[in-house]
Amino acid sequence: DTGVSQDPRHKITKRGQNVTFRCDPISEHNRLYWYRQTLGQGPEFLTYFQNEAQLEKSRLLSDRFSAERPKGSFSTLEIQRTEQGDSAMYLCASNPTGNTDEQYFGPGTRLTVT
Amino acid sequence: RKEVEQDPGPFNVPEGATVAFNCTYSNSASQSFFWYRQDCRKEPKLLMSVYSSGNEDGRFTAQLNRASQYISLLIRDSKLSDSATYLCVVNILSGSARQLTFGSGTQLTVLP
Repeated sequence: DTGVSQDPRHKITKRGQNVTFRCDPISEHNRLYWYRQTLGQGPEFLTYFQNEAQLEKSRLLSDRFSAERPKGSFSTLEIQRTEQGDSAMYLCASNPTGNTDEQYFGPGTRLTVT
Repeated sequence: RKEVEQDPGPFNVPEGATVAFNCTYSNSASQSFFWYRQDCRKEPKLLMSVYSSGNEDGRFTAQLNRASQYISLLIRDSKLSDSATYLCVVNILSGSARQLTFGSGTQLTVLP
């Protein structure tokens, strides 16, 4: 499968714990995006990387959230001191540099904070 | 006001029916427009891009009216497999990010 992959697919954690998610974009896609989706809503933009540089962060990304893409390939999203309001689907998407805006999504990581 | 607004739905239609979804967007600087399809508990998948001249892909027709900031999707001869949530999406250049902004989606159920 050469699509975007995410790990884990599901995560249940207790409030206050830290969690980390991983995204592997489509090979050679320079751009990588993280989104969050809650029930009944469309995905909301969180952050964007071009290669290893994090170029944009949404206001939704509080100080408890951090994302990295150290080698310009896979990316991690960490949430510290999780809260029940963090429960959502976290989606990763990628696309190549160039004049294309179409983004290809991974299957997502569903986070439940109890 | 949301940046992308869609028909609230849900739409329940019989097989073979024609159904239309509408969407409006608020940012006139929006550059690209899409319809994504999302099945229950799955990721969004690109259905089609939307061009100013209108475009068609089989049973699906998308139209864009930049002056009215309005996007539509028409599905003809609907199939059971068309049941999904349809997301209207615009791309806005925000800083250096070409981020997608999604509507809340319209749920379609095609009934046998």
